[in-house]
Amino acid sequence: NAGVTQTPKFRVLKTGQSMTLLCAQDMNHEYMYWYRQDPGMGLRLIHYSVGEGTTAKGEVPDGYNVSRLKKQNFLLGLESAAPSQTSVYFCASSPYSPGRGSSNYGYTFGSGTRLTVV
Amino acid sequence: EDQVTQSPEALRLQEGESSSLNCSYTVSGLRGLFWYRQDPGKGPEFLFTLYSAGEEKEKERLKATLTKKESFLHITAPKPEDSATYLCAVQAASGGYNKLIFGAGTRLAVHP
Repeated sequence: NAGVTQTPKFRVLKTGQSMTLLCAQDMNHEYMYWYRQDPGMGLRLIHYSVGEGTTAKGEVPDGYNVSRLKKQNFLLGLESAAPSQTSVYFCASSPYSPGRGSSNYGYTFGSGTRLTVV
Repeated sequence: EDQVTQSPEALRLQEGESSSLNCSYTVSGLRGLFWYRQDPGKGPEFLFTLYSAGEEKEKERLKATLTKKESFLHITAPKPEDSATYLCAVQAASGGYNKLIFGAGTRLAVHP
């Protein structure tokens, strides 16, 4: 059972280049999320999806786009990379929205993509 | 503004030396508080969810507690394999059901 798989694991981009990060989950989860993690800061939500064909903006969406054409995949695109987008990107999925009810569950995270923009 | 603050930033313990990590929060209506463990180079791993003040949950050497203003992660007789960064996150009523606010984490190092 793979869980959440992110590709690639590492990438170096030049300023202005574009790229797509792929997230795939095999748990049939409805909810999927993209976060970025920077030193000294908490994980920050970029975009999220509550089901196939849906997307919504998170806390820091500027410079990123997403698509969820298939339930199991959530793509994060960088249109024109900037050095400020150097970060570690994490994808996560959940069967339900957190905080609903008393179930003891949380997000399942992928292992991350380390992106450097030079 | 909803905020989550974790302290200390880093903690060094000897094996067997019990301690607590703190997560204080100011949110407009708490829906849930979550604890995660993150090992270097990996994604966070879910530990606990707490929903109401007074609630407690345990897993091996870890025990999470919740009050109206903060949560504690108590580590009893830690072992070197407990070394990791521990993340706290809250879900606030103002953010909707799909937005978690994460703290910056506490880096725990347990030495033999």
